[in-house]
Amino acid sequence: EVQLVESGGGLVQPGGSLRLSCAASGFTVSSNYMSWVRQAPGKGLEWVSVIYSGGSTYYADSVKGRFTISRHNSKNTLYLQMNSLRAEDTAVYYCARDKVGFDAFDIWGQGTMVTVSS
Amino acid sequence: DIQMTQSPSSLSASVGDRVTITCRASQSISSYLNWYQQKPGKAPKLLIYAASSLQSGVPSRFSGSGSGTDFTLTISSLQPEDFATYYCQQSYSTPGFTFGPGTKVDIK
Repeated sequence: EVQLVESGGGLVQPGGSLRLSCAASGFTVSSNYMSWVRQAPGKGLEWVSVIYSGGSTYYADSVKGRFTISRHNSKNTLYLQMNSLRAEDTAVYYCARDKVGFDAFDIWGQGTMVTVSS
Repeated sequence: DIQMTQSPSSLSASVGDRVTITCRASQSISSYLNWYQQKPGKAPKLLIYAASSLQSGVPSRFSGSGSGTDFTLTISSLQPEDFATYYCQQSYSTPGFTFGPGTKVDIK
């Protein structure tokens, strides 16, 4: 079965760090474009970051310089390292697979909640 | 940056109704437009990609149309399981996959 399972969310103080993980099964992370998308409580969807199959990475302006997307090929896992966290980073974070050739997110994880608060 | 708007922001409808949701891009995005459905507490689900292509497993009562700047998502006969929030997303200017603000469909 093709699926994504996130972990690593939690409560962190402003300025702190957290690393999210997204374990894939049924397909190979390194052969696909993989993104992180977040959703603040009661708000809409915001794309955060993407890693292409070739390894190139891109970020939304709101997280550039603070977040780092990466993957571990042998573990078939995607990561999001989040540093210098702010209250406005509070959200459910989803990992998602890009549908090949269409830049549409066809497989999503269940989401992991990140709360930034003192 | 490409901005996406949706209308209406919410609507009330009855089972069996035909429902149409509109998405507009701030500049032409050709047919690089996708639609998602999200239910409370759940991850979004891809319904339509490339403006009008139905994702595998999605019921045929969902359809998409449009190109350029104006797009529509139509539910031909609303079912109880269709009450949800719907988002459009442009994939013309990537990376930077801009989503619309969402349209909530609830029960009249």
